[in-house]
Amino acid sequence: AQSVTQLDSQVPVFEEAPVELRCNYSSSVSVYLFWYVQYPNQGLQLLLKYLSGSTLVKGINGFEAEFNKSQTSFHLRKPSVHISDTAEYFCAVSEGAAVNKLTFGGGTRVLVKP
Amino acid sequence: DGGITQSPKYLFRKEGQNVTLSCEQYLNHDAMYWYRQDPGQGLRLIYYSQIVNDFQKGDIAEGYSVSREKKESFPLTVTSAQKNPTAFYLCASSNRQGRGGYTFGSGTRLTVV
Repeated sequence: AQSVTQLDSQVPVFEEAPVELRCNYSSSVSVYLFWYVQYPNQGLQLLLKYLSGSTLVKGINGFEAEFNKSQTSFHLRKPSVHISDTAEYFCAVSEGAAVNKLTFGGGTRVLVKP
Repeated sequence: DGGITQSPKYLFRKEGQNVTLSCEQYLNHDAMYWYRQDPGQGLRLIYYSQIVNDFQKGDIAEGYSVSREKKESFPLTVTSAQKNPTAFYLCASSNRQGRGGYTFGSGTRLTVV
């Protein structure tokens, strides 16, 4: 069974500083990878996804993520954060096309300080 | 709402009562899902349905029930057997293949009073 680990439960960061959120997964097959963002009392919104091809994926709001197959990682980065990036971020993995069932990590709460 | 609507946004339940949370999607998606979210615990899958009139239990199905009579609708009933129902409930939908990810509703916050 696949699993997803987000190594940091909380990440405080100053405004305009860079941020990296770490995500590692375990799976023996090819996977699709996703990052979602959740603002307080709202649903999850898709930030970006990796399906195939280039390992560097660009998403909305200036976020990007890099797929590293050998390290089974899919870390999310943003070079300069804004106060509005304060939210919870979830990494998710799907084991391919047969059944679309995502496994989510535990989430990383990002707090951007002025 | 991005094509998927959950209602109500806030719901209060007395102990021993059943309550039903609504989820409607207008994206022509085949699959629908219910998740429960508690502080510090991420998302846990309650039930999912890949097709009309069929659904499967997720990781925490005890105390919950669902139906899928229409493609657009996937209501979740929180029964009195659910011992700790206070949580944030999220509904999602997707294509049957894995490429598109999920589209989420805005959630229902259920509180037992």
